[in-house]
Amino acid sequence: EVQLVESGGGLVQPGGSLRLSCAASGFTFSSYEMNWVRQAPGKGLEWVSYISSSGSTIYYADSVKGRFTISRDNAKNSLYLQMNSLRAEDTAVYYCARSLIAAATNWFDPWGQGTLVTVSS
Amino acid sequence: SYVLTQPPSVSVAPGKTARITCGGNNIGSKSVHWYQQKPGQAPVLVIYYDSDRPSGIPERFSGSNSGNTATLTISRVEAGDEADYYCQVWDSSSDHPGVFGTGTKVTVL
Repeated sequence: EVQLVESGGGLVQPGGSLRLSCAASGFTFSSYEMNWVRQAPGKGLEWVSYISSSGSTIYYADSVKGRFTISRDNAKNSLYLQMNSLRAEDTAVYYCARSLIAAATNWFDPWGQGTLVTVSS
Repeated sequence: SYVLTQPPSVSVAPGKTARITCGGNNIGSKSVHWYQQKPGQAPVLVIYYDSDRPSGIPERFSGSNSGNTATLTISRVEAGDEADYYCQVWDSSSDHPGVFGTGTKVTVL
């Protein structure tokens, strides 16, 4: 069974840092691109970041560029999101999601169960 | 950056058809994907590549895309279809390519 399990969320003060992890199983992790998507309480989905299978290509949403860093360890079947200089507006459930690709498009399946990040003093 | 607009809510009686629109500039030239999200749960892919269904998704779910509007259609709506639905595209011409629609809450009357 293809599975993604996030961890590392919690309560952090504004300006603080947090590192999220996503453990993948049930598929050849090193062959797939991956993403982070977040959802603020009561709000819609917001794509956050993408990383290619080798890690050589990375994209970020403007809202997190310069503060967040996506990375992966294919030997450990794991995806990461290092979040620095956190703001109240970063409060959200963070999901990792596998990319499926065809003809220059990209969709997300499956998704993990999410991990909650709360930025508050 | 590319913007996708959805109606905030759609209401439908059981057994009827729900249509959820996703508007974007020349969206017909892009591939559109759709996700269902029930309260407290992670999103689930229900349509990809405009109109393809993943395994396990009922045939009642279908999609189309043309011009400036993509549409997710749910036929013979059931109570279990009540959820939020999001469209998504990948804007490969952008350096922030992931784009989600604003989301639509489907209420089964």
